[in-house]
Amino acid sequence: DAMVIQNPRYQVTQFGKPVTLSCSQTLNHNVMYWYQQKSSQAPKLLFHYYDKDFNNEADTPDNFQSRRPNTSFCFLDIRSPGLGDAAMYLCATSRVQGRTDTQYFGPGTRLTVL
Amino acid sequence: GQSLEQPSEVTAVEGAIVQINCTYQTSGFYGLSWYQQHDGGAPTFLSYNALDGLEETGRFSSFLSRSDSYGYLLLQELQMKDSASYFCAVLNSGGYQKVTFGTGTKLQVIP
Repeated sequence: DAMVIQNPRYQVTQFGKPVTLSCSQTLNHNVMYWYQQKSSQAPKLLFHYYDKDFNNEADTPDNFQSRRPNTSFCFLDIRSPGLGDAAMYLCATSRVQGRTDTQYFGPGTRLTVL
Repeated sequence: GQSLEQPSEVTAVEGAIVQINCTYQTSGFYGLSWYQQHDGGAPTFLSYNALDGLEETGRFSSFLSRSDSYGYLLLQELQMKDSASYFCAVLNSGGYQKVTFGTGTKLQVIP
């Protein structure tokens, strides 16, 4: 029944060691988002895909990259994680229909950087 | 730039009604959404307003005034399970389905 799946749910990495987070969806939605959320803060949009078009936020660090090989999958690569990158990473999807916003979120991956 | 402001915390009594306000400043605006997030969980969609007025979904209603750049979420017959953080979010017209979240309101429902 899961619609947006994120793996792993918990990820521990070392300072500077690359890490990849994955997101998959069974909804066939054409928009996929990656958010970073730190404790007691709002989700912060890192980037999103509208179909294959990639949209990067101006303040997303270069350390963060993303790939969307097909409609169902999206990956977040953190090339050299720093202590400040410890956060919950949320993937969300939506289907564009008349400019509405209904996003379906995955359970998130909690990243710890040692 | 864009900004969305919400009260940081609200406390209300079980069974009561509570209103969570959201004011926004954005260069392009399509609509305003509301999301609920329990501690440790992911946000879940509650409502979306593109036009002025009130949208009702069960115990929850959402209101939008485009001319005032203002909206609110109204929760009726509060239940303990409604204790959560509530975020408003603007769907921007400047990019493909770009969404900006507000600062969030932590609602505590007390017996």
